[in-house]
Amino acid sequence: QLQLQESGPGLVKPSETLSLTCSVSGGSISSSSYYWGWIRQSPGKGLEWIAIFYYSGSTYYNPSLKSRVTISVDTSKNQFSLKLSSVTAADTAVYFCATTRGYSHGYFDYWGQGTLVTVSS
Amino acid sequence: EIVLTQSPGTLSLSPGQRATLSCRASQSVSSNYLAWYQQKPGQAPRLLIYGASSRATGIPDRFSGSGSGTDFSLTISRLEPEDSAVYYCQQYHGSPWTFGQGTKVEI
Repeated sequence: QLQLQESGPGLVKPSETLSLTCSVSGGSISSSSYYWGWIRQSPGKGLEWIAIFYYSGSTYYNPSLKSRVTISVDTSKNQFSLKLSSVTAADTAVYFCATTRGYSHGYFDYWGQGTLVTVSS
Repeated sequence: EIVLTQSPGTLSLSPGQRATLSCRASQSVSSNYLAWYQQKPGQAPRLLIYGASSRATGIPDRFSGSGSGTDFSLTISRLEPEDSAVYYCQQYHGSPWTFGQGTKVEI
């Protein structure tokens, strides 16, 4: 059973960079079966897809966030990470990592429990 | 961007009743690239339906999805107390993938 767990600071200052890591267990991040992604949920905007990627390189972004998002993967640790730059209060949300089966199969079948990130000085 | 509008906002029903949730897309979602999720407080969303009508692994058969084009629905045939949750639809036809605002089911 695939399990995902988000980790990272719960408080980020405005204009700084939000950094989160998703640790994967029960399966390999190098698996050909999965794409890996990030979604966030805020009271104001609801659920919002951020990006997905395949371990060997293909990455797809929400155009509204693309300029601020960086995705990286560490196959040796079976982890992947999200960096969101120049954050504002509007980036306050619960951030989830999740799996999907590909760009044409973009439903999310495994989710982490989510981590709340608050942007505030 | 494809906007998904869910209705009603809240549905209050009794155990054993049938619930029908609607998801309307602002433009056609071809190949039925539409999913439904259930979310309980403090939890991540749980995939119920993908491809508009295919049940995800382990989902009881009282949950069913239907529809095509711009109109989709999720039906819970016999409500159980544990079905109290917020239900979201999501389209993965066009970028960006988008979610509806949710329907709260109270039992």
